Amino acid sequence: AQKVTQAQTEISVVEKEDVTLDCVYETRDTTYYLFWYKQPPSGELVFLIRRNSFDEQNEISGRYSWNFQKSTSSFNFTITASQVVDSAVYFCALRPNSGGSNYKLTFGKGTLLTVNP
Amino acid sequence: DTGVSQDPRHKITKRGQNVTFRCDPISEHNRLYWYRQTLGQGPEFLTYFQNEAQLEKSRLLSDRFSAERPKGSFSTLEIQRTEQGDSAMYLCASTLMTVSYEQYFGPGTRLTVT
Repeated sequence: AQKVTQAQTEISVVEKEDVTLDCVYETRDTTYYLFWYKQPPSGELVFLIRRNSFDEQNEISGRYSWNFQKSTSSFNFTITASQVVDSAVYFCALRPNSGGSNYKLTFGKGTLLTVNP
Repeated sequence: DTGVSQDPRHKITKRGQNVTFRCDPISEHNRLYWYRQTLGQGPEFLTYFQNEAQLEKSRLLSDRFSAERPKGSFSTLEIQRTEQGDSAMYLCASTLMTVSYEQYFGPGTRLTVT
């Protein structure tokens, strides 16, 4: 069985602060993908990043960065110099990558990030 | 290239009524997924299609739910005899079978059962 845990239900920060969203996962698959999605109030899930389980290099994209540590089964997401527009619910998700899999996504419960001006 | 579209965006219905949602995937995407998201939760898998074949259904999909994807194009999700517990956001995603199997989500249909 697969499981994704986002322990932080809500986080509130002041604009320009850095914030890290935690994600811990469980899987028996040897290969898998990890994802982060953003869900603004409009409701549509916006893809942010995909990470292959073979690739443990950290990634930076503008103000966003991701720290993947296979040893601790964590895939944390950091927003640097947060902005009001970053306010949304953020979901971490897991997907197997084995042959014959249905490739469905297993999501965590999400973290509501509020960035105050 | 247009994204995944869903119709309607919002639906309010009375308990016991039937409702049908439509999803139009990205053109040429051969896999289509349905997820359900309740308040304060992440999306949960309901079912998926590869072309026109429905290959898996979650135990969340009771016998009041039925999904189709005729000709492997758009898909419909029907809920019969709606219950208040069916109130949720219903999300559709599509993907092209490539190495990454990236899923692209539509805006969702928010169902409220009164």
